[in-house]
Amino acid sequence: QKEVEQNSGPLSVPEGAIASLNCTYSDRGSQSFFWYRQYSGKSPELIMFIYSNGDKEDGRFTAQLNKASQYVSLLIRDSQPSDSATYLCAVIVGISQGGSEKLVFGKGTKLTVNP
Amino acid sequence: DADVTQTPRNRITKTGKRIMLECSQTKGHDRMYWYRQDPGLGLQLIYYSFDVKDINKGEISDGYSVSRQAQAKFSLSLESAIPNQTALYFCATSDLAGDEQFFGPGTRLTVL
Repeated sequence: QKEVEQNSGPLSVPEGAIASLNCTYSDRGSQSFFWYRQYSGKSPELIMFIYSNGDKEDGRFTAQLNKASQYVSLLIRDSQPSDSATYLCAVIVGISQGGSEKLVFGKGTKLTVNP
Repeated sequence: DADVTQTPRNRITKTGKRIMLECSQTKGHDRMYWYRQDPGLGLQLIYYSFDVKDINKGEISDGYSVSRQAQAKFSLSLESAIPNQTALYFCATSDLAGDEQFFGPGTRLTVL
């Protein structure tokens, strides 16, 4: 099993809808989880991070973490065409293995919001 | 000015040539990273450095080498470029492993 897995999509939603992006991870010791947004041809930028089980809201974005299920998600409410991008899930792994911890990225989910 | 800069931004080269990609940062971070990104494969870690004297291989280090000349500078070299090294390369920095990583604008490398 890969360390961080995402549905590659593409995911297409109409403007104003809720976009739901999902990510699973394999390292049970992981404590830090991140969502990056990457526009085509640009560099990734952090939009959310979450460390504790439950929900974390920031504007139209909500990150959800369930450590028991090793699952993290990102919800985008009232989706806008400007949200069209690839969303990368990233997880700090390696802590439970006693080695150097590192940030591992999923392959990303491409989201298209249609006007 | 950008906090993390990469040079060159675009490079076309031929098989067998030696190539150096440079990264500089003004964020004062100790940790620096080199990634490559291929369509559909996400970001793959090539090398990372926790300080000037600490350099570590990532998941795809074969064919690459790095140099951490100073806290602010981290260079990636392809000793003998091959076509499957054609990719988008990103440099990133962070203060601590658990903190946000800040990415440079990327270098698009094409090996013919």
